Amino acid sequence: NAGVTQTPKFRVLKTGQSMTLLCAQDMNHEYMYWYRQDPGMGLRLIHYSVGEGTTAKGEVPDGYNVSRLKKQNFLLGLESAAPSQTSVYFCASSYSGAGNQPQHFGDGTRLSIL
Amino acid sequence: QKEVEQDPGPLSVPEGAIVSLNCTYSNSAFQYFMWYRQYSRKGPELLMYTYSSGNKEDGRFTAQVDKSSKYISLFIRDSQPSDSATYLCAMEYGKLTFGQGTILTVHP
Repeated sequence: NAGVTQTPKFRVLKTGQSMTLLCAQDMNHEYMYWYRQDPGMGLRLIHYSVGEGTTAKGEVPDGYNVSRLKKQNFLLGLESAAPSQTSVYFCASSYSGAGNQPQHFGDGTRLSIL
Repeated sequence: QKEVEQDPGPLSVPEGAIVSLNCTYSNSAFQYFMWYRQYSRKGPELLMYTYSSGNKEDGRFTAQVDKSSKYISLFIRDSQPSDSATYLCAMEYGKLTFGQGTILTVHP
């Protein structure tokens, strides 16, 4: 079972470059999420989606954009990368937003901005 | 003040020890309480979740919630080297709010 797959796994960018992180899930989940994980900060929600064609802002959305054109895919874009966006990015999905529905995570994308 | 506080550790214990991991929170609206385990260079995976105050047991793991004190704990009995990971508490009210994570090492 693939579950949640994130590509790429590693990337180094220069300040000002743009890139897109791809998340794909094969569990037919409605909800998808993008988090960033930084030392001492835990996981912080960037954006999320409650279904195909919908997106919403999370706790730290500035500098990021997202799209959910297909139910199984959730894209995270950095238009002009900044060193403060150096982080590990995790995508997650869940069947619904109910509290008893676990979020399933991918293995992360490690992004360095020089 | 963060909504969820978790001691980052690191915590190092010998194999077979009882481990206690703790989180405090400030938002009384939180309804679901979860523990995720994250191995190095992997994504978090759900270990346990609870809804109400009290204890919930699953094998060597016990999750405890005290809503009156806004305090949750995860106990690991007979800890094993394979338990070495980062443990994240998480709480839900509309969205998940995570603690900072505690790094646990169980040495043989």
